[in-house]
Amino acid sequence: GDSVTQMEGPVTLSEEAFLTINCTYTATGYPSLFWYVQYPGEGLQLLLKATKADDKGSNKGFEATYRKETTSFHLEKGSVQVSDSAVYFCALSEDNYGQNFVFGPGTRLSVLP
Amino acid sequence: DSGVTQTPKHLITATGQRVTLRCSPRSGDLSVYWYQQSLDQGLQFLIQYYNGEERAKGNILERFSAQQFPDLHSELNLSSLELGDSALYFCASSVAPLYEQYFGPGTRLTVT
Repeated sequence: GDSVTQMEGPVTLSEEAFLTINCTYTATGYPSLFWYVQYPGEGLQLLLKATKADDKGSNKGFEATYRKETTSFHLEKGSVQVSDSAVYFCALSEDNYGQNFVFGPGTRLSVLP
Repeated sequence: DSGVTQTPKHLITATGQRVTLRCSPRSGDLSVYWYQQSLDQGLQFLIQYYNGEERAKGNILERFSAQQFPDLHSELNLSSLELGDSALYFCASSVAPLYEQYFGPGTRLTVT
């Protein structure tokens, strides 16, 4: 079945550092790919998405590019802030937003001032 | 604030008991989804309803059931609770299937 693998962390960075969270997937079809963020005590929020190969999703300074050849969707941000501290989930869905999301295990990011 | 509300925020109960979790979707959303987030299983999709009808099932145990009412709120019923059912249960809603899902803050269930 479909699966998502991501670095589990925790990842600890200093403010203004460069962030990369790796995400790779296995899918039978051509899924849509997502990054969700979960701030402490809150539910998940959609951060960005890409629906086809070579698409780049971006939001709030975060970016991720759908790489079909490497089955990857790595999350990057050039300069992290303390307020970016959260858990980040990579996810896929075979049918756009679909009913059957498959989530990665999540990566906890802590940004220190 | 996503506009999705869940009650209660926390629930502590004993093994063998039954509990009901409640979810109110965003105004105008017809689809409701339930997810379980546990330390060992991660985040898993349980079940989806659309306008009162069950639309999709994920990894939902037979001890669990859900329904969506005419006013579109949904309830997740968990029975014969086991220690392993301790988790965060999220509800999400969307305008319709295949549209962006908005997540509620979750209900933390602790089974002792």
